[in-house]
Amino acid sequence: GAGVSQSPRYKVAKRGQDVALRCDPISGHVSLFWYQQALGQGPEFLTYFQNEAQLDKSGLPSDRFFAERPEGSVSTLKIQRTQQEDSAVYLCASVSIGGPGGLETQYFGPGTRLLVL
Amino acid sequence: AQTVTQSQPEMSVQEAETVTLSCTYDTSESDYYLFWYKQPPSRQMILVIRQEAYKQQNATENRFSVNFQKAAKSFSLKISDSQLGDAAMYFCALERYGGSQGNLIFGKGTKLSVKP
Repeated sequence: GAGVSQSPRYKVAKRGQDVALRCDPISGHVSLFWYQQALGQGPEFLTYFQNEAQLDKSGLPSDRFFAERPEGSVSTLKIQRTQQEDSAVYLCASVSIGGPGGLETQYFGPGTRLLVL
Repeated sequence: AQTVTQSQPEMSVQEAETVTLSCTYDTSESDYYLFWYKQPPSRQMILVIRQEAYKQQNATENRFSVNFQKAAKSFSLKISDSQLGDAAMYFCALERYGGSQGNLIFGKGTKLSVKP
């Protein structure tokens, strides 16, 4: 596709519900990142994939958060038993390798705004 | 630990004038990338400009330029001839060299308003 897409764009969940957030990266991008952006803050790293391998999940705030990318393309971030503090925008970014000038740039999706009531 | 600090929560500029957004960072790495991202209200984050730490020459992209001071660990963004469409949150970010294995560390952002 032309860019990174995420769905749903908005999600309202009752406390305790499970949610699944989807990210479709730019075709051919090997690396994929998830970030959490609280209101009025900068994004914070959650987890990183290279193809289907989850190489870094050090940013996941608890074991209620789980991410996967089984075929090395689409990724899903799952939050179990949601809590109010999980309310945030969840951003996905994919990375080209060997782009113009050899630089690597993260391209962001529009995000999923999660509100937990 | 790597950190990024943006000390200006909000800035304002008159249309057609110039504004500078400040950013300082801390890292023990010798090679890294620095970025400025723009996030318009309710819209996705887009790259404004990037700088490789090993390059002494400051990056420029049309009306956007940076002042990269490696020794001082400073990376400011200058926007010339400001336009109404420049109004947005601006985030400074640091990435360890070898980017695909390095997540971005973001500052808290600066909200830029442009007055007509």
